[in-house]
Amino acid sequence: DAKTTQPPSMDCAEGRAANLPCNHSTISGNEYVYWYRQIHSQGPQYIIHGLKNNETNEMASLIITEDRKSSTLILPHATLRDTAVYYCIVGRSQGNLIFGKGTKLSVKP
Amino acid sequence: ETGVTQTPRHLVMGMTNKKSLKCEQHLGHNAMYWYKQSAKKPLELMFVYSLEERVENNSVPSRFSPECPNSSHLFLHLHTLQPEDSALYLCASSQDENRAPYGYTFGSGTRLTVV
Repeated sequence: DAKTTQPPSMDCAEGRAANLPCNHSTISGNEYVYWYRQIHSQGPQYIIHGLKNNETNEMASLIITEDRKSSTLILPHATLRDTAVYYCIVGRSQGNLIFGKGTKLSVKP
Repeated sequence: ETGVTQTPRHLVMGMTNKKSLKCEQHLGHNAMYWYKQSAKKPLELMFVYSLEERVENNSVPSRFSPECPNSSHLFLHLHTLQPEDSALYLCASSQDENRAPYGYTFGSGTRLTVV
């Protein structure tokens, strides 16, 4: 079973920040938080991962709470092409990633 | 292109046919995976290969038979499938690294329809 909880769907206006929450209250000390997204009929795409500290790359920012029980993926300026299902996954460095149902993000004009 | 190439993109096969799905990566990764994605279901991990050895088989029926001849290629051989096996089959690869996590790179998948 997936060890994360995400809202099934969210809407975001184009150009605004999209903040996608994820709860992972049973995360272990050696487990990372990964985010992937899947655009319709394509394979999932890796976005970002983190352990304790907040992380940022060219695609997104990842904010992890101090107790590590939840995190938020931030797309700073959402575009229509960011419409996708976003998956939050926890796993060990060599763990096999178990995908849940994710959050379907719809970016609207 | 992600660096992981899957062929064919689409496949229609009868229940008595034998076919194979192919996955190829030239990213220097040592681990490869097969996932199944049925309509309205989460991705299901089917098989894991690390350094060409199968390290996990998630209770997959024997009508699915994986093969990993080298670290760059992964096959999924199919025979006597059922209509409920119709799904998107995704291949992924990753560096098999003990010391640090790496994201998976997925292919675009093979859309399989069993008739």
